[in-house]
Amino acid sequence: SAVISQKPSRDICQRGTSLTIQCQVDSQVTMMFWYRQQPGQSLTLIATANQGSEATYESGFVIDKFPISRPNLTFSTLTVSNMSPEDSSIYLCSADRGYGYTFGSGTRLTVV
Amino acid sequence: QKEVEQDPGPLSVPEGAIVSLNCTYSNSAFQYFMWYRQYSRKGPELLMYTYSSGNKEDGRFTAQVDKSSKYISLFIRDSQPSDSATYLCAMTLLNSGYSTLTFGKGTMLLVSP
Repeated sequence: SAVISQKPSRDICQRGTSLTIQCQVDSQVTMMFWYRQQPGQSLTLIATANQGSEATYESGFVIDKFPISRPNLTFSTLTVSNMSPEDSSIYLCSADRGYGYTFGSGTRLTVV
Repeated sequence: QKEVEQDPGPLSVPEGAIVSLNCTYSNSAFQYFMWYRQYSRKGPELLMYTYSSGNKEDGRFTAQVDKSSKYISLFIRDSQPSDSATYLCAMTLLNSGYSTLTFGKGTMLLVSP
């Protein structure tokens, strides 16, 4: 399965600022996915990123808050914009290699 | 009713025990079923991937799917302290040409030496 590198691994940010999370896959993949994992909750899909087209966002997530880039078949970024303490969570990227989904190690974000 | 139900635990067992982890789901359109293991401060790691009803074995792990009952299980034989982690079930349905994953909340497993 694919190896996914995600950075930063953690960050503490001031409210009102933005953070961009990077995700690098070691091979070309069609789809990349961004998830949020809050304590005691399921992983929640934020959006799906397909190279060359706009990301598809799930209900409750909007592009202005979580802009995504997918410039090529191995890389994607997720920006968490105008952060508030409610955005404190773990953010994970994932890639589909045809069967099974591989995840990065996650970005632990704390907004103060 | 949530789409995927999973007991959060924690489930505490002694080393060597057989562990049974379970999920139920409500959407009969789910096609593929997965189990992930997640250690603290790490991303989920894919353990098992199944499609059809029945059993699939990989070393000490056995995944079981019963589509008629909408019930999946993961069995761990000869459990080890290194198996202590959170286990997440996940399943997919086909949506607009690609699959999206729906996760259970995860069950925390603690294996004591």
